[in-house]
Amino acid sequence: AQTVTQSQPEMSVQEAETVTLSCTYDTSESDYYLFWYKQPPSRQMILVIRQEAYKQQNATENRFSVNFQKAAKSFSLKISDSQLGDAAMYFCAYSPGGGADGLTFGKGTHLIIQP
Amino acid sequence: DADVTQTPRNRITKTGKRIMLECSQTKGHDRMYWYRQDPGLGLRLIYYSFDVKDINKGEISDGYSVSRQAQAKFSLSLESAIPNQTALYFCATSADKYYGYTFGSGTRLTVV
Repeated sequence: AQTVTQSQPEMSVQEAETVTLSCTYDTSESDYYLFWYKQPPSRQMILVIRQEAYKQQNATENRFSVNFQKAAKSFSLKISDSQLGDAAMYFCAYSPGGGADGLTFGKGTHLIIQP
Repeated sequence: DADVTQTPRNRITKTGKRIMLECSQTKGHDRMYWYRQDPGLGLRLIYYSFDVKDINKGEISDGYSVSRQAQAKFSLSLESAIPNQTALYFCATSADKYYGYTFGSGTRLTVV
């Protein structure tokens, strides 16, 4: 079974600074998808960014980018120019590329933005 | 209206009661999912469905059952609720794995 590990239960960053959230995963598959989801206090799950395992290029969405290291099974999220609205729980998630379905989530990282 | 609607938003029920959580979607997606979120544990998959006739167990299906009444509706039942089923429950839909999943706003269930 796949596992997703987020080793930082909580992170804190000053507004306008850059922060990186870590994620590692374990799988024997070569085809899969990786995601970062944001959960603000409203509890809504919001897709931040996604990455296909067979793409070498790291995904970028505005201030959010990933560092995908397939060999190391690492998928970190970098948030640039942190804003107060970025404060939330962030979950890393894995989806298999074959017939099986559903996301496997990490336990989350609570991101605090200091004004 | 929201793309994925869950009802109720909050619910308190007693141990041993049967309860149903409902989910409907307007995305037109074939794939639907039920997840459970517990503090410090992330989200875990309970059941998923590819269509009305295709239901699959997830990581933690014991104590739960589901019904896919139509492409747009997927309900989760707790036949006899117990306190350790107290959690936040999410429904999600997906057109394809690559595009990710659209989540409902969750149902907070408390079993007393």
